[in-house]
Amino acid sequence: AQSVTQLDSQVPVFEEAPVELRCNYSSSVSVYLFWYVQYPNQGLQLLLKYLSGSTLVESINGFEAEFNKSQTSFHLRKPSVHISDTAEYFCAVSAPVQGAQKLVFGQGTRLTINP
Amino acid sequence: NAGVTQTPKFQVLKTGQSMTLQCAQDMNHEYMSWYRQDPGMGLRLIHYSVGAGITDQGEVPNGYNVSRSTTEDFPLRLLSAAPSQTSVYFCASSEGWGYTFGSGTRLTVV
Repeated sequence: AQSVTQLDSQVPVFEEAPVELRCNYSSSVSVYLFWYVQYPNQGLQLLLKYLSGSTLVESINGFEAEFNKSQTSFHLRKPSVHISDTAEYFCAVSAPVQGAQKLVFGQGTRLTINP
Repeated sequence: NAGVTQTPKFQVLKTGQSMTLQCAQDMNHEYMSWYRQDPGMGLRLIHYSVGAGITDQGEVPNGYNVSRSTTEDFPLRLLSAAPSQTSVYFCASSEGWGYTFGSGTRLTVV
């Protein structure tokens, strides 16, 4: 079975400061890794994904995540955050099940940006 | 393109009542799933289906039933609502790793 642990339930940072949201996973099989974002009172949006290839993946709004197989981690980083980044962030892994990909989520990290 | 449509968006139930949360997708995806979102617990998988006529349990299936008679629809039934089922419910469909989520149903059981 797969599991995901997000090490911080809440992360407060000041605007323009760097941020790292931590994610560790466990799995006995190869997985795909994802970060989803949920803005206040909205649904889930895919932020970025790791499927294969380069271990560093980037989003269009400045976030990046690095897949570290030896550490079983997929931490999310941004060098300078904005007020608009205030949201809840979910790390997830998918693993094969009967020809499909089952998605397992972490507990979520609430990112709060202070001016 | 509608994607994944969930109805209703909001619902208040009394303890013991039953209801069905509807989920429909128009992308011809074989895989569909239901999650519940609770503060501090992320999204937890309730039930999933890998195709019409095939369903299976996720992490938290108790108190919920599903069926999949068509590729498009995957309703979630609450048999006898309990306050512990107060949550936000998300339906998703996927092809490979590409997931599409519905906008959610906020359910309150009083």
